[in-house]
Amino acid sequence: GQQVMQIPQYQHVQEGEDFTTYCNSSTTLSNIQWYKQRPGGHPVFLIQLVKSGEVKKQKRLTFQFGEAKKNSSLHITATQTTDVGTYFCAGLDNYGQNFVFGPGTRLSVLP
Amino acid sequence: DVKVTQSSRYLVKRTGEKVFLECVQDMDHENMFWYRQDPGLGLRLIYFSYDVKMKEKGDIPEGYSVSREKKERFSLILESASTNQTSMYLCASSSYGTSGGYTDTQYFGPGTRLTVL
Repeated sequence: GQQVMQIPQYQHVQEGEDFTTYCNSSTTLSNIQWYKQRPGGHPVFLIQLVKSGEVKKQKRLTFQFGEAKKNSSLHITATQTTDVGTYFCAGLDNYGQNFVFGPGTRLSVLP
Repeated sequence: DVKVTQSSRYLVKRTGEKVFLECVQDMDHENMFWYRQDPGLGLRLIYFSYDVKMKEKGDIPEGYSVSREKKERFSLILESASTNQTSMYLCASSSYGTSGGYTDTQYFGPGTRLTVL
């Protein structure tokens, strides 16, 4: 079945450093979504990417969908302590039937 | 704002008990989902429903059942709770996908942390 992997599993950065998490699917995706879960909270939707090669920005966050629509990345510029949490990608397969979450990347930001 | 509520934040049950987890959404969403979240495993889909009285198995349906008698309410049932069902349970809802596929943005409830002793 469809599998979605994320690397790294954990990342510790100093405040002000950049951070990137990568999401890879075993199958071609129709779209990909990114969610953020703060410690003790629930996942909150960040963005959805649909087109091959698409790049979207939200302030310091840059999301990219690969040309082959099998991978995606989230890059945070100049991390802040408010960026702490677990970032999940979730992909919908090309048949529109399977929606699978990756295991997440937990980000710690040291002040 | 979409609101998804879950009946309990914390629940402690004994092995063999029947457990009901309830989820209610107020946005008239067609889809509702039940996930469990365990450290290092991310979110795993147990069941989802795309309409009243309709249900589909997710990745890990064993030991669980669901009920959707009304559009706004989706219940997860553990017929006979076991210790390996100790977990965080998250409910989500969404409308049908606008870019193809069955799901758009998913809105999550606060979660129920279930401990089975």
